[in-house]
Amino acid sequence: DQQVKQNSPSLSVQEGRISILNCDYTNSMFDYFLWYKKYPAEGPTFLISISSIKDKNEDGRFTVFLNKSAKHLSLHIVPSQPGDSAVYFCAASAIGFGTYKYIFGTGTRLKVLA
Amino acid sequence: DTAVSQTPKYLVTQMGNDKSIKCEQNLGHDTMYWYKQDSKKFLKIMFSYNNKELIINETVPNRFSPKSPDKAHLNLHINSLELGDSAVYFCASSPRLAGVNTDTQYFGPGTRLTVL
Repeated sequence: DQQVKQNSPSLSVQEGRISILNCDYTNSMFDYFLWYKKYPAEGPTFLISISSIKDKNEDGRFTVFLNKSAKHLSLHIVPSQPGDSAVYFCAASAIGFGTYKYIFGTGTRLKVLA
Repeated sequence: DTAVSQTPKYLVTQMGNDKSIKCEQNLGHDTMYWYKQDSKKFLKIMFSYNNKELIINETVPNRFSPKSPDKAHLNLHINSLELGDSAVYFCASSPRLAGVNTDTQYFGPGTRLTVL
């Protein structure tokens, strides 16, 4: 049972436009969410996170939105750049419940076209 | 200076063999992890160690045995390798135990294991 789902395995976006990556979760205990970015032959690197007490967190070109009622989060990249081409994983944890781990989605491969 | 390093990067071996993957972090972190990314791209936690103490063992077959000689190292030994063990294995570390606080995990580059 996959508690964190990224239903779009891939996404192509033109350079300069907005990229929107989506993530859905099923466990209502999740209270902390992260996005990781992964280039080929490298490990995932942390990008941005959000706590469930917020509905938005912004860091430069990257913004994460959280809709708790829909159990949905999204990552917006504006403007998209060719260097953003990578696989993006969302992850979730129930920190308040001390689960000691993050549950990852299967990733979305973003391709930004020059 | 690689923060989290893994060796080897690629490992090709026959079924039934025993192999080890090494992981080292130079970040001074207390916690280290092993993840498995299978062919369906799920990235699943296998083990976590905090100050050399096993915290998580996620229903992994006992053919997999992690060993943490010190806080900077977490090695993964796999006995009697099976075809289904083929995957990419990622080591990671964090300052403190992730999933209890908001510490970020830092991942190694991965080890691609292929069992023939």
